[in-house]
Amino acid sequence: EDQVTQSPEALRLQEGESSSLNCSYTVSGLRGLFWYRQDPGKGPEFLFTLYSAGEEKEKERLKATLTKKESFLHITAPKPEDSATYLCAMPEGGYQKVTFGIGTKLQVIP
Amino acid sequence: DTGVSQNPRHKITKRGQNVTFRCDPISEHNRLYWYRQTLGQGPEFLTYFQNEAQLEKSRLLSDRFSAERPKGSFSTLEIQRTEQGDSAMYLCAVHRGQAGELFFGEGSRLTVL
Repeated sequence: EDQVTQSPEALRLQEGESSSLNCSYTVSGLRGLFWYRQDPGKGPEFLFTLYSAGEEKEKERLKATLTKKESFLHITAPKPEDSATYLCAMPEGGYQKVTFGIGTKLQVIP
Repeated sequence: DTGVSQNPRHKITKRGQNVTFRCDPISEHNRLYWYRQTLGQGPEFLTYFQNEAQLEKSRLLSDRFSAERPKGSFSTLEIQRTEQGDSAMYLCAVHRGQAGELFFGEGSRLTVL
C-alpha cells in the first residue's frame, strides 16, 4: 500500500532560522509528489508538484526537492507568516485520488 | 482563490440530526472529490465523482453518508443521524493538472454536540 510519512509532526523556529521538513514515501512507481500549505480553519493550498528524483521547485522562501525515497521542503530565513501546516501528498490509483501525510505544523516565532 | 466554494463554512448540530454540505466549483471540472480532516491529521479521501457518476467510495463513508452530483456541477454531502465522531472539516476539491493535483475549497467544519 502506498504510504506518505512526514516528520517532524511539529517544528518551532525563530524568525530567520532555516530548516527542512521531511516527507518519505513508499510507492510502486512515483507519479508525482505534492506539497500543500494549510492555514488553521482553511482548506489546503497547493504549492508544488515534483515529478522525478532530482527535481527542485522554489517559491519565495520555500524550496521543494525530491529523491527516490523522500522529499524535503526547505524553508530559508522563515518569517512568522510562514507559520502553517505543510502537507505532503501523492496520487495513487491511476491519479484517481490523492493520499496525504499528517503534516508538519510549523510555527515561526518573531 | 481556487474557485471552489463550500457552504456552510461552519455547522453546529446536535447528535442525531441530519446535515448537508454543498460544494460549488466556479468552472467546469470533470472530477470532484470529498475529503474529511480531523484535528492533527491529514485529509482523508471519502469519495469522488467523474461528472455525475460516483466512481469510488472510501470505507470511511458509512451508510449514514450520501453524496450526489446531480448535474455534474455542484455536489452535496449529506450525513444522517450525526454522531460525535463525525465532527471534522469536510473538504471539497477539484482535479486539475498533469499529475492529478487537487485544489480545495475552504472547507465546512462540522461540530456535533
